[in-house]
Amino acid sequence: GIQVEQSPPDLILQEGANSTLRCNFSDSVNNLQWFHQNPWGQLINLFYIPSGTKQNGRLSATTVATERYSLLYISSSQTTDSGVYFCAVKTSYDKVIFGPGTSLSVIP
Amino acid sequence: GAVVSQHPSRVICKSGTSVKIECRSLDFQATTMFWYRQFPKQSLMLMATSNEGSKATYEQGVEKDKFLINHASLTLSTLTVTSAHPEDSSFYICSAEMSLSRNTIYFGEGSWLTVV
Repeated sequence: GIQVEQSPPDLILQEGANSTLRCNFSDSVNNLQWFHQNPWGQLINLFYIPSGTKQNGRLSATTVATERYSLLYISSSQTTDSGVYFCAVKTSYDKVIFGPGTSLSVIP
Repeated sequence: GAVVSQHPSRVICKSGTSVKIECRSLDFQATTMFWYRQFPKQSLMLMATSNEGSKATYEQGVEKDKFLINHASLTLSTLTVTSAHPEDSSFYICSAEMSLSRNTIYFGEGSWLTVV
């Protein structure tokens, strides 16, 4: 089946710093979403981005479907950005598969 | 936006008992719902795909007799953990796919199951 990789697995940032999270996938996908999981387990949808670039405040995402990767940019990071970031892809078999996640800690 | 509700959010049960978790799409119809399991500090693992009116499709390694899934209507899917054991303790989360826009997936709040 499709393989989804994320890097880095862990990231520690000073408040105010910028970061880039990467998601690679091994096959073509119908959809790609980025999620932030908060400490209570809730998954918050950040972007639905099968291709192209989107921006929402300090966050932006770019997916290059032909090269099978997506990037999530976090600018001017805040402590509330801490948590785990997942990318999830929807395969041609209509399954939604999650990557292993990037655990982000933003310190004051 | 679309809302998916999961209930209960937390449940503690005794070993050997069964527990049911509900997943409801509150303001849209969901032909397909997905059930995931998440262990601490790990990713979400797809357990099964639930389609309204038909049998669920289980992922390899997931016991269908252990994790009973019923998708009786376009807005409700249930996961029943039968004869629960402490190793079944985990975070279970569902997602629902909008029938009219099949690439849009919405997640429930998750359910923490503790088996004692």
